[in-house]
Amino acid sequence: AQKITQTQPGMFVQEKEAVTLDCTYDTSDQSYGLFWYKQPSSGEMIFLIYQGSYDEQNATEGRYSLNFQKARKSANLVISASQLGDSAMYFCAMREGRYSSASKIIFGSGTRLSIRP
Amino acid sequence: GAVVSQHPSWVICKSGTSVKIECRSLDFQATTMFWYRQFPKQSLMLMATSNEGSKATYEQGVEKDKFLINHASLTLSTLTVTSAHPEDSSFYICSASSAGVVVYEQFFGPGTRLTVL
Repeated sequence: AQKITQTQPGMFVQEKEAVTLDCTYDTSDQSYGLFWYKQPSSGEMIFLIYQGSYDEQNATEGRYSLNFQKARKSANLVISASQLGDSAMYFCAMREGRYSSASKIIFGSGTRLSIRP
Repeated sequence: GAVVSQHPSWVICKSGTSVKIECRSLDFQATTMFWYRQFPKQSLMLMATSNEGSKATYEQGVEKDKFLINHASLTLSTLTVTSAHPEDSSFYICSASSAGVVVYEQFFGPGTRLTVL
């Protein structure tokens, strides 16, 4: 069964608009972590934001916020005021279980975001 | 922030040869290193997890005799693709984590693009 589902293969957004990238997950663990990464065409993986399953507040990092709906098992990424440099592939990812340095991260299939000038 | 490097950044080799890819944590000691493979327009697939001084743990379906992983020190892990064939052409990315650094994060290297002719 797929653990991380990203249903939007590609999205086009006008510059300066906000955009929401969808992510749903499946786990039976009570303790887990959710991540969003950005991968530009260069291939590097850029960490954007993290949400722990026990965190009561939605995570925010600058223009990025994570809309965490625990009961729905969704962890959507919201990018406010999109910029041309936001054009990239975006991956949602999950770590199951309590954290240890050996914890594996599983990635979703990704969403390619393209920002129109 | 924690920095992970990979060498080489790209490599082209002939079918049947072996290729070694290095992953180094430059400013922290990596308790665990992870190796991923990414085919074009696809997600990152975890190949194996390695802890310093012990044998790597391979994901299901990954041939351990073909993808040799060595994690000889807390700052270096190597992936050797033995007897490479064109189907092994891919983008290989390593990541590293440490209980001493940000507790939830894996730090990714810039990736190595392997092309087998």
